[in-house]
Amino acid sequence: KNEVEQSPQNLTAQEGEFITINCSYSVGISALHWLQQHPGGGIVSLFMLSSGKKKHGRLIATINIQEKHSSLHITASHPRDSAVYICAVTPHLAGNQFYFGTGTSLTVIP
Amino acid sequence: NAGVTQTPKFRILKIGQSMTLQCAQDMNHNYMYWYRQDPGMGLKLIYYSVGAGITDKGEVPNGYNVSRSTTEDFPLRLELAAPSQTSVYFCASSYSGQYSTDTQYFGPGTRLTVL
Repeated sequence: KNEVEQSPQNLTAQEGEFITINCSYSVGISALHWLQQHPGGGIVSLFMLSSGKKKHGRLIATINIQEKHSSLHITASHPRDSAVYICAVTPHLAGNQFYFGTGTSLTVIP
Repeated sequence: NAGVTQTPKFRILKIGQSMTLQCAQDMNHNYMYWYRQDPGMGLKLIYYSVGAGITDKGEVPNGYNVSRSTTEDFPLRLELAAPSQTSVYFCASSYSGQYSTDTQYFGPGTRLTVL
């Protein structure tokens, strides 16, 4: 059983739509991370959060520690948002080791 | 800053061959990591290092070795390559304490095929 589960696995949206990607985890954590993997393969960190909500441009990440759940929202989606979005958690007392979800592949159609 | 760099970008190996994947970072990060990414699977940790001279196994270490002689470099050695090692390999680094968490910075990846 994977400690980090993401849904949906694949998502296709029309440009301009509001998108939500969900992440559930089963361990106590120090932090949760959202990463973006571009079609070319590069991985970049979008957010690191341990409570509440963070916003960067059109991206919003929320976390509910009690429910062990996080969501990544993209407002006014654009074709350049097409990528794989990966959720990862840092368990308590695990140094900085990450447990990764399998990713959500997002395609935004013009 | 170049960030995290990896070489080579692509490599094809024959079964039984050996090779070293290079990884370097110029951010003075103490933690470095090697991951593999297989289709449909999440990233899996192979080895990690918390500082020069200190390395430890991750989730999938069999068939690999690492060393960390400097803060900057963290090479991954594949001995006796097998088809099961066909994957995309990512190196990452972060600045972290033992009980703190921080963003990891990833290299561009090495796509390895073993035939």
